[in-house]
Amino acid sequence: KQEVTQIPAALSVPEGENLVLNCSFTDSAIYNLQWFRQDPGKGLTSLLLIQSSQREQTSGRLNASLDKSSGRSTLYIAASQPGDSATYLCAVRPGYSSASKIIFGSGTRLSIRP
Amino acid sequence: EAGVAQSPRYKIIEKRQSVAFWCNPISGHATLYWYQQILGQGPKLLIQFQNNGVVDDSQLPKDRFSAERLKGVDSTLKIQPAKLEDSAVYLCASSVLQGNTEAFFGQGTRLTVV
Repeated sequence: KQEVTQIPAALSVPEGENLVLNCSFTDSAIYNLQWFRQDPGKGLTSLLLIQSSQREQTSGRLNASLDKSSGRSTLYIAASQPGDSATYLCAVRPGYSSASKIIFGSGTRLSIRP
Repeated sequence: EAGVAQSPRYKIIEKRQSVAFWCNPISGHATLYWYQQILGQGPKLLIQFQNNGVVDDSQLPKDRFSAERLKGVDSTLKIQPAKLEDSAVYLCASSVLQGNTEAFFGQGTRLTVV
């Protein structure tokens, strides 16, 4: 059974710092992995999607990596800004099917101090 | 491209009452998901549709929850009767069936049961 873990549950850093959010999953057989951002009271915004065959994806100040063999993914945020404050969720689509369900971690609540 | 639409945004009901949520996925997306997100936790899959068929409803409390997607487009999720522990945000998401199966989420419906 696939399980997704995100540690730490909360993180506070000063503005301008580079930071890394961690995601681990128990079964290396995944179809893809997706990082989301969730603002308070809002839905989920997709940030990056990494297919099983890929090692990383980049969008602006965000870079996500995937290491299936170790069951880990990281989300790197460069030059953090107060507007980056939100909860970041990692989600895995397990197995080899594009139709398999998506399993979420509990998220990391990020706070960027001005 | 229009996103995933959900209504209502907020709902407050008394326990033992019934409630229904509506979701209109992105046009052309065959897969539709309903997730329940309790405060402080990651989203948990309730039910997954592929077109108008159910793919996974293993975590749906079937004694009180029901969902349908009759024409393979819009979907409704119903709770009858509601319990206090059903207070959560109910998220709808959709994705294409093949290839880049990036999931897109709606804004969610925040349900409070009093």
